[in-house]
Amino acid sequence: DGGITQSPKYLFRKEGQNVTLSCEQNLNHDAMYWYRQDPGQGLRLIYYSQIVNDFQKGDIAEGYSVSREKKESFPLTVTSAQKNPTAFYLCASSSNRDRVWGTDTQYFGPGTRLTVL
Amino acid sequence: GNSVTQMEGPVTLSEEAFLTINCTYTATGYPSLFWYVQYPGEGLQLLLKATKADDKGSNKGFEATYRKETTSFHLEKGSVQVSDSAVYFCALKDRGSTLGRLYFGRGTQLTVWP
Repeated sequence: DGGITQSPKYLFRKEGQNVTLSCEQNLNHDAMYWYRQDPGQGLRLIYYSQIVNDFQKGDIAEGYSVSREKKESFPLTVTSAQKNPTAFYLCASSSNRDRVWGTDTQYFGPGTRLTVL
Repeated sequence: GNSVTQMEGPVTLSEEAFLTINCTYTATGYPSLFWYVQYPGEGLQLLLKATKADDKGSNKGFEATYRKETTSFHLEKGSVQVSDSAVYFCALKDRGSTLGRLYFGRGTQLTVWP
């Protein structure tokens, strides 16, 4: 089955530690995205990548880092510089081929819930 | 800039009631519009979409019409079920941008009672 997998589902971190969230897709999509979800705030874009070895900051990139070494993978590292990292993190991907009409659908993974202890 | 405003929740309805969730947008270009649904503890799933003015997206009994004159994309369903309980997000994609990112509203929590 094609789709997006995120691991782990739940993650606990001590203050001052870096932690990496995994996102893998087998949809052959070029573009991948990381969002953060907090209660009542909707989804906010952290980073996105349109192609391998390239990525751009989103609206709330401070305290986060990413890499895109393979088309299928887009891991997110939450660093100790992120002041309030407890949140639900969602990864998404899209083909981004229909740029004229913008009909490409973003597909989402099941999410990782990060809690800082 | 680009932004989406949704009616605030939570919305609580009895089964078989009519549902409307309001969504209005501001866009720098000509956007495509989407409704996503999120069930508890899960990621988002696309519910429906519309790419040009007067298009109607529909799926699972839900409908939304792209109204350019009122910059709106309200979600409706004639008869809700308990299984429709979820959070609903309105989103737009700026077709003038090659970046493909979505701009989301804050989400509206819907609870349907039997």
